[in-house]
Amino acid sequence: GENVEQHPSTLSVQEGDSAVIKCTYSDSASNYFPWYKQELGKRPQLIIDIRSNVGEKKDQRIAVTLNKTAKHFSLHITETQPEDSAVYFCAARPGSARQLTFGSGTQLTVLP
Amino acid sequence: DTAVSQTPKYLVTQMGNDKSIKCEQNLGHDTMYWYKQDSKKFLKIMFSYNNKELIINETVPNRFSPKSPDKAHLNLHINSLELGDSAVYFCASSRPTSGSGTGELFFGEGSRLTVL
Repeated sequence: GENVEQHPSTLSVQEGDSAVIKCTYSDSASNYFPWYKQELGKRPQLIIDIRSNVGEKKDQRIAVTLNKTAKHFSLHITETQPEDSAVYFCAARPGSARQLTFGSGTQLTVLP
Repeated sequence: DTAVSQTPKYLVTQMGNDKSIKCEQNLGHDTMYWYKQDSKKFLKIMFSYNNKELIINETVPNRFSPKSPDKAHLNLHINSLELGDSAVYFCASSRPTSGSGTGELFFGEGSRLTVL
């Protein structure tokens, strides 16, 4: 089955700096890579996703890049703000599968 | 209008008791899931149902029994609760993954179970 590794497990940045979270996956058949944000005490919510036929996708201050050859994808947050503080999860899904496999999560703290 | 709702939000109980968590979605999705999130925040899938049929059954103790009376509801019953069952349980639903569908997960607010 799919295995997703996520790094780092914790990340602290100064407000206004950029944050990068990286994930690797094992199944070359995976073709869908979402990122979920979970604020303290809340539910995980999708913030951005990318399909394997695209190398990069951007939505305002967040972007995701995908390297299919190396089987890794990354989340980039620019101009971080305190409200970006949360746990971020990457995930991957092979085309034939119904379920997402999640990474272990990254606790991002944006320091004012 | 809550898309995925689950009850109760908090559950505190003694070891050995039996408890249930209910989940309902009004999104018209065909697939529903139960995830367990432990103290280290790891999200682990437990079960998935598609149109009332069990399609994913991960390695979960048989003390956990899901039940889907219809495609909008997925309940979780836990027998003989143990300390290690303490966690937040999330229900989720998704659109089909075929065609242009991505299968985005919509989570409920979670049910925090504490076993004493």
